[in-house]
Amino acid sequence: GDSVTQMEGPVTLSEEACLTINCTYTATGYPSLFWYVQYPGEGLQLLLKATKADDKGSNKGFEATYRKETTSFHLEKGSVQVSDSAVYFCALSDDDNFNKFYFGSGTKLNVKP
Amino acid sequence: EPEVTQTPSHQVTQMGQEVILRCVPISNHLYFYWYRQILGQKVEFLVSFYNNEISEKSEIFDDQFSVERPDGSNFTLKIRSTKLEDSAMYFCASRIGLIFGPGTRLTVL
Repeated sequence: GDSVTQMEGPVTLSEEACLTINCTYTATGYPSLFWYVQYPGEGLQLLLKATKADDKGSNKGFEATYRKETTSFHLEKGSVQVSDSAVYFCALSDDDNFNKFYFGSGTKLNVKP
Repeated sequence: EPEVTQTPSHQVTQMGQEVILRCVPISNHLYFYWYRQILGQKVEFLVSFYNNEISEKSEIFDDQFSVERPDGSNFTLKIRSTKLEDSAMYFCASRIGLIFGPGTRLTVL
């Protein structure tokens, strides 16, 4: 079945460090891929998405490229800020209508000043 | 910017009691969802709802669970007889791009 695997956290970085959170997926079809972010005490917010191979999603300095050959969608940011501290979830939807999502287990990011 | 809202933010109940979690999806969205997140675990799909009926549900969504849209705006999740293992964050979502509400933390004692 469809699934998402992402690196375990927590990830602790200093401000302005580079970030990579790995995400790989298993899907039978051609899924769309997403990153969601959950700030402390809040719900899940869509961070970025990519709907087909080689697409790059980007938002707020974060980027992720849909790599079909490696079934990956790693999240990257060149310079993290303290305000980026949150839990990041990789997710996929293999439904044309985005009817159902499969989430990874989440990676907690702590950014220290 | 339109958002999904949920009430209450935290619900504490006794085992065996019924709870109703409420959600107000974005007004012009047609698909609605409930997901849950047990502490420290994955966000899991529970159910999707379209055109006033369930379109898909997971194995978790057994006979203890039900959903309805009683008045055209609210979207509710009812748990008839809560168990300890129902303690989790419950997220309502609506399409497009799956916009989530802030969640309701359910604690079953």
